[in-house]
Amino acid sequence: AQKITQTQPGMFVQEKEAVTLDCTYDTSDPSYGLFWYKQPSSGEMIFLIYQGSYDQQNATEGRYSLNFQKARKSANLVISASQLGDSAMYFCAMREGFHAGGTSYGKLTFGQGTILTVHP
Amino acid sequence: NAGVTQTPKFQVLKTGQSMTLQCAQDMNHNSMYWYRQDPGMGLRLIYYSASEGTTDKGEVPNGYNVSRLNKREFSLRLESAAPSQTSVYFCASSEEGNPGETQYFGPGTRLLVL
Repeated sequence: AQKITQTQPGMFVQEKEAVTLDCTYDTSDPSYGLFWYKQPSSGEMIFLIYQGSYDQQNATEGRYSLNFQKARKSANLVISASQLGDSAMYFCAMREGFHAGGTSYGKLTFGQGTILTVHP
Repeated sequence: NAGVTQTPKFQVLKTGQSMTLQCAQDMNHNSMYWYRQDPGMGLRLIYYSASEGTTDKGEVPNGYNVSRLNKREFSLRLESAAPSQTSVYFCASSEEGNPGETQYFGPGTRLLVL
């Protein structure tokens, strides 16, 4: 089963509007972290925002916020007031804790990404 | 403070050739990782090193070897390159391997195997 699912291959948004990028995850570990990364056309991976499984409040970082719904296992990224420079690929990723089993301690598991295009 | 650096940026190999991708971080992180990204996909973990002196396999380790040379440096070696290894390779580091820690990525190495 996919651990991270991003169901939107591509999204379009008008400049200055808000957009939500979907992410659902699957884990039986009580301790995990959820991350969003941005990958512009230049290729680098830029960390945007983090949400811990025990965090009571949704994470926010400037124009980025994470809509964390633990019971539904979703961690959607909300970008407010979109800018042309927000056009990029966006990846949701999860990091499980010690109790996840397996040998890939601390690894990030990535979704397939969503390409966001911001129109002027 | 350069963060995570990778060399080379681009490389073209012929099938069967070998090469080593270099990665270094100056953030005094204990954990380092190598990922590959294939077109249209997310990153997949090849190998990681939880701390200096230790390495472990990730999701897709076949065809690769790694060396944690010291705390700063973590190299990835392709002994006999195959076209299936054409990809973009990212190195990353984090303080430890705990769920809440951010991994910081290098700029990537684009590898084409003919």
